[in-house]
Amino acid sequence: KNEVEQSPQNLTAQEGEFITINCSYSVGISALHWLQQHPGGGIVSLFMLSSGKKKHGRLIATINIQEKHSSLHITASHPRDSAVYICAVLSGGGADGLTFGKGTHLIIQP
Amino acid sequence: GAVVSQHPSRVICKSGTSVKIECRSLDFQATTMFWYRQFPKKSLMLMATSNEGSKATYEQGVEKDKFLINHASLTLSTLTVTSAHPEDSSFYICSARGRRAEQYFGPGTRLTVT
Repeated sequence: KNEVEQSPQNLTAQEGEFITINCSYSVGISALHWLQQHPGGGIVSLFMLSSGKKKHGRLIATINIQEKHSSLHITASHPRDSAVYICAVLSGGGADGLTFGKGTHLIIQP
Repeated sequence: GAVVSQHPSRVICKSGTSVKIECRSLDFQATTMFWYRQFPKKSLMLMATSNEGSKATYEQGVEKDKFLINHASLTLSTLTVTSAHPEDSSFYICSARGRRAEQYFGPGTRLTVT
């Protein structure tokens, strides 16, 4: 079973700062998801990656398959970015559901 | 992009009653749907995997008679929590996977059992 580790667990930063959240996994994967969960619980899928890099607005996600590592970056952070960010991986042939990291609780202070 | 909906978004029910949660893929055919549960301040845990037209596969420790899953069509799966108890209070999330293995998440359903 894949082990997914996220760091940091908690992060508080000032508005405008560049944010990096890391995700490492133990077994080769077919895809990796970055999810955003707001205090009410609703989940938004930010990215699905299998290689390289993706960008959407102020969000950038990268993945290094050889190192089994992915990062989520937020540029020009804003208080509305405050949420829990979750990394989830799809292993092997994808017959199973995702394995989730424990999440990174991000607070952006004005 | 593709959208997955869940209904209801919030439900409060009395202990002993049953609650049905729907998960729909709105603009694609979901060959597989997954049901997850999230306890407060915890990661999401896979409960079961359902393929259209076949019985769901439950993860170890998940009671299949308590959490009934039906995947009757390529766009709809339902999770019924039977004889709900306060310990079943949780956040339930579905995800749907299309034919190209893309996966999309529903917004979740918060169940409170009183």
